[in-house]
Amino acid sequence: LAKTTQPISMDSYEGQEVNITCSHNNIATNDYITWYQQFPSQGPRFIIQGYKTKVTNEVASLFIPADRKSSTLSLPRVSLSDTAVYYCLVGDITGRRALTFGSGTRLQVQP
Amino acid sequence: DAGVIQSPRHEVTEMGQEVTLRCKPISGHDYLFWYRQTMMRGLELLIYFNNNVPIDDSGMPEDRFSAKMPNASFSTLKIQPSEPRDSAVYFCASSSWDRGLDTQYFGPGTRLTVL
Repeated sequence: LAKTTQPISMDSYEGQEVNITCSHNNIATNDYITWYQQFPSQGPRFIIQGYKTKVTNEVASLFIPADRKSSTLSLPRVSLSDTAVYYCLVGDITGRRALTFGSGTRLQVQP
Repeated sequence: DAGVIQSPRHEVTEMGQEVTLRCKPISGHDYLFWYRQTMMRGLELLIYFNNNVPIDDSGMPEDRFSAKMPNASFSTLKIQPSEPRDSAVYFCASSSWDRGLDTQYFGPGTRLTVL
């Protein structure tokens, strides 16, 4: 399984852009990169997934360099409600490998 | 769609008792996952099913834990006998093949306390 490394915590203020980087040096050719968000007392929620370059949706953007050994989740103009734990996962989507949630990054957004 | 449904939301039991957690996945999803989350160990995958068949149960801690999926709309996770160290939040999640197993939809979880 590809191991991921993320910062344990980050602080930001409302209205700022937040970038959370995840390292996955031993990512495999078939692996995709997926980010989840978890609020207290709730299950994780899928945010975004990508394989290479850049992916954008209504919630976030995901930047993946050519070597795919890292990825950056970008949250534009965060609000207090973005305070959560963010998990980076790297895995094979074909159904043959289990998924591993690491420790995640605890983002605290302040007014 | 109502999303993934789990019951009960909270369970308090005494050591040695049998505990059964229930999950109803999103209709049409063919993957179902059981996770356990604690402060110490984070979110751990226990077992997952594909088309009601267990695919990987390597995360099941020991023989006291068992999971079944008798049909596409129902799964159970059973702990017998329960121990205090089993206290955790247990999440069920589901996904569909066409979106990939790692695009999962999680339920609200069951908070289990074993006294």
